[in-house]
Amino acid sequence: KQEVTQIPAALSVPEGENLVLNCSFTDSAIYNLQWFRQDPGKGLTSLLLIQSSQREQTSGRLNASLDKSSGRSTLYIAASQPGDSATYLCAVPRGGSQGNLIFGKGTKLSVKP
Amino acid sequence: EPEVTQTPSHQVTQMGQEVILRCVPISNHLYFYWYRQILGQKVEFLVSFYNNEISEKSEIFDDQFSVERPDGSNFTLKIRSTKLEDSAMYFCASILEAGELFFGEGSRLTVL
Repeated sequence: KQEVTQIPAALSVPEGENLVLNCSFTDSAIYNLQWFRQDPGKGLTSLLLIQSSQREQTSGRLNASLDKSSGRSTLYIAASQPGDSATYLCAVPRGGSQGNLIFGKGTKLSVKP
Repeated sequence: EPEVTQTPSHQVTQMGQEVILRCVPISNHLYFYWYRQILGQKVEFLVSFYNNEISEKSEIFDDQFSVERPDGSNFTLKIRSTKLEDSAMYFCASILEAGELFFGEGSRLTVL
């Protein structure tokens, strides 16, 4: 049974720091992995989608990597800003179902000015 | 930029009442989903809908729940007789065929 774990549960950093958020999954047979951002009381905003054939994906200051064989993905945020403060979630499809996602519990990031 | 829209943003209801949550998925998307997030817990899949029928559902999606696409744009989640434990954020999502899943802002349901 696929399980998704995110460590750490919470992270507080000073503005300007580069940081890494971790996501691990127990079944390496995934089609893709998606990272989301969730602001308090709000919906989920898609940040990056990495297909199983890709090693990494970049969008602005965000870079996500995927290592299927070890069951891990990392989200790297460069030069963090207070506006990056949010909860970051990773998710993988359940079996062959594209939109039936299994989520991690998230990492709550706080960037201090 | 196209987005998934949900109404209402917040609904308060009495236990045992029926609730309908509404969603307008992105217009050219083909697959539609409902998820929920109980406060402090993980986002959980409820149901997927394609070609006017349910394609998958979780064990959470019991007989109290139903979904419908009454016209070409709306996608609804109905809870027939709400329970206290149905209190959660309910998210609608849609996808074209494969790739990124796009979520709405959510509907907060509070059952008293």
